[in-house]
Amino acid sequence: QVQLQESGPGLVKPSETLSLTCTVSGGSISSYYWSWIRQPPGKGLEWIGYIYYSGSTNYNPSLKSRVTISVDTSKNQFSLKLSSVTAADTAVYYCAREKYYYDSSGYWAEIDYWGQGTLVTVSS
Amino acid sequence: QTVVTQEPSLTVSPGGTVTLTCASSTGAVTSGYYPNWFQQKPGQAPRALIYSTSNKHSWTPARFSGSLLGGKAALTLSGVQPEDEAEYYCLLYYGGARVFGGGTKLTVL
Repeated sequence: QVQLQESGPGLVKPSETLSLTCTVSGGSISSYYWSWIRQPPGKGLEWIGYIYYSGSTNYNPSLKSRVTISVDTSKNQFSLKLSSVTAADTAVYYCAREKYYYDSSGYWAEIDYWGQGTLVTVSS
Repeated sequence: QTVVTQEPSLTVSPGGTVTLTCASSTGAVTSGYYPNWFQQKPGQAPRALIYSTSNKHSWTPARFSGSLLGGKAALTLSGVQPEDEAEYYCLLYYGGARVFGGGTKLTVL
């Protein structure tokens, strides 16, 4: 059973950089896409971006200038950095596993496993 | 900016059937948008239900089904149970980007 666990500071000061790590257990980080998704209190889900295990990335255009996602396959971890944070970045941050693949039936894309989420509050 | 639209709220009686929809501001939703559906209960992480339009995960109850309906992605719950009361989110793929819908709050009453 694949499990994902987010970790990192729960409080970040405005203008500083938010840093979170997602540790994957019960399976390899290889051959999958790994995403970060956030949810402000009382609001909906927002996709932040993904990284493929090989290191290629894609980010939400609205956050692209402030986001960096990296992967450490030796530790089965991937990480999120979000710079110049403001109160609007206060949210529960989730990591998730994605599969995008092709077989004889066509192309498939799915998000299957999620972490439990971690609340990050931006406040001085 | 691409917007994915869901019904804000729906109410269904226990044992009934309800369909939630997911529309794209870019036009008709097709299988190429790989619609995914997720269920989220208060205080919990989202749980995956449906991927690539109509495919169920191994843990998805049989009463949940996905389809394309009238240019939208759709999630149908048949024989609704009280435990199905939750927020439901769709996700669409736009090339390399992904966009979530705003969510539908489903009340079982």
